[in-house]
Amino acid sequence: GNSVTQMEGPVTLSEEAFLTINCTYTATGYPSLFWYVQYPGEGLQLLLKATKADDKGSNKGFEATYRKETTSFHLEKGSVQVSDSAVYFCAFNDYKLSFGAGTTVTVRA
Amino acid sequence: DGGITQSPKYLFRKEGQNVTLSCEQNLNHDAMYWYRQDPGQGLRLIYYSQIVNDFQKGDIAEGYSVSREKKESFPLTVTSAQKNPTAFYLCASSIGSAESYSNQPQHFGDGTRLSIL
Repeated sequence: GNSVTQMEGPVTLSEEAFLTINCTYTATGYPSLFWYVQYPGEGLQLLLKATKADDKGSNKGFEATYRKETTSFHLEKGSVQVSDSAVYFCAFNDYKLSFGAGTTVTVRA
Repeated sequence: DGGITQSPKYLFRKEGQNVTLSCEQNLNHDAMYWYRQDPGQGLRLIYYSQIVNDFQKGDIAEGYSVSREKKESFPLTVTSAQKNPTAFYLCASSIGSAESYSNQPQHFGDGTRLSIL
């Protein structure tokens, strides 16, 4: 069946480090892909999205490229800040929104 | 500002009691959703509604009920049949169904944390 697999956490980084969170999906067709972020005690916010192959979504210094050949949508940020500490969810839409388990990221000053 | 409002932020349930979580949106969205979030398990879909007076079961509907009498509102009732209700509940909405509007994101409320007394 359709599913999303993302890198398990927790991930702990120092400020200004490079962040990568891997995400792969299994789906029929070509779903739209999303990254959501959840700050402590809050709901989810859309971080970025890509709707077709080779699309690159970007927002707040984060980027992810829709790779059809590897069915992946890895999230990257070149220099993280303490304020980026949150849980990150990869998701895709085919007939419903399917989420990965989430990756907790902690950035230390 | 447009958005989704969930209330209350914290809720406590006694054994054998039904409780209702509120979700209201002023985004003029047709589709609304309820998710349950447990630590380390991501989000699981409880119920969703694509249009007023219609809703469908998600992956974990047992022990829950919903209604969609108005476009703006999609309350979730956690019944006494739900034996493990302690979780963080998130409501979301989108322009249309995920099926028809697959490139449109869902917008989330800030959640309700339900605990057992």
